[in-house]
Amino acid sequence: AQKVTQAQTEISVVEKEDVTLDCVYETRDTTYYLFWYKQPPSGELVFLIRRNSFDEQNEISGRYSWNFQKSTSSFNFTITASQVVDSAVYFCALSEARAGNTPLVFGKGTRLSVIA
Amino acid sequence: ETGVTQTPRHLVMGMTNKKSLKCEQHLGHNAMYWYKQSAKKPLELMFVYNFKEQTENNSVPSRFSPECPNSSHLFLHLHTLQPEDSALYLCASSQAPGKGPDTQYFGPGTRLTVL
Repeated sequence: AQKVTQAQTEISVVEKEDVTLDCVYETRDTTYYLFWYKQPPSGELVFLIRRNSFDEQNEISGRYSWNFQKSTSSFNFTITASQVVDSAVYFCALSEARAGNTPLVFGKGTRLSVIA
Repeated sequence: ETGVTQTPRHLVMGMTNKKSLKCEQHLGHNAMYWYKQSAKKPLELMFVYNFKEQTENNSVPSRFSPECPNSSHLFLHLHTLQPEDSALYLCASSQAPGKGPDTQYFGPGTRLTVL
């Protein structure tokens, strides 16, 4: 069975601090996809990144970076120089790689509060 | 309109009411989804439609009835709901399913309160 664990329920940081959101996953599949979504107070889930299990290169997009490590089944997300607009709930999700629809399995989310 | 839109954004209904949630996607996708997000629980997949055909029903009670008249529109018909059905209902869409998962794009959700 697939499972995604985001152990950090809530994190508070002061603006300009760096913050890392942890994500640990479980799957029996050798091929799978990992996602991060951001949910601001407006409610909409905003897609941030998708990664397949064969691509372990870290990725950087502006102030965002992701560290994928298959050895520890982790896909952590770091925000550098955090800003108040980064305040949101962040979800990590996992999906199998098979034909047809592959439901996303979400973690419970981490609520990030960035204080000015 | 762009992306995925949902109406209404907020809905309050009694347990005997019948109401419908609407979702529309403007992304040219062919798969659409309903999710339920309750307080302190992970997002739960409810239904999946591919090319207007329902391909997944995640053991959802019959008081929730989905309808997908075309690839751009998805409805969730509600009747005789319970207070525990109060939640944020999110719609998502993705490209036609291929050999791997497609990225799902979400709407802003409908905040439902059942009195």
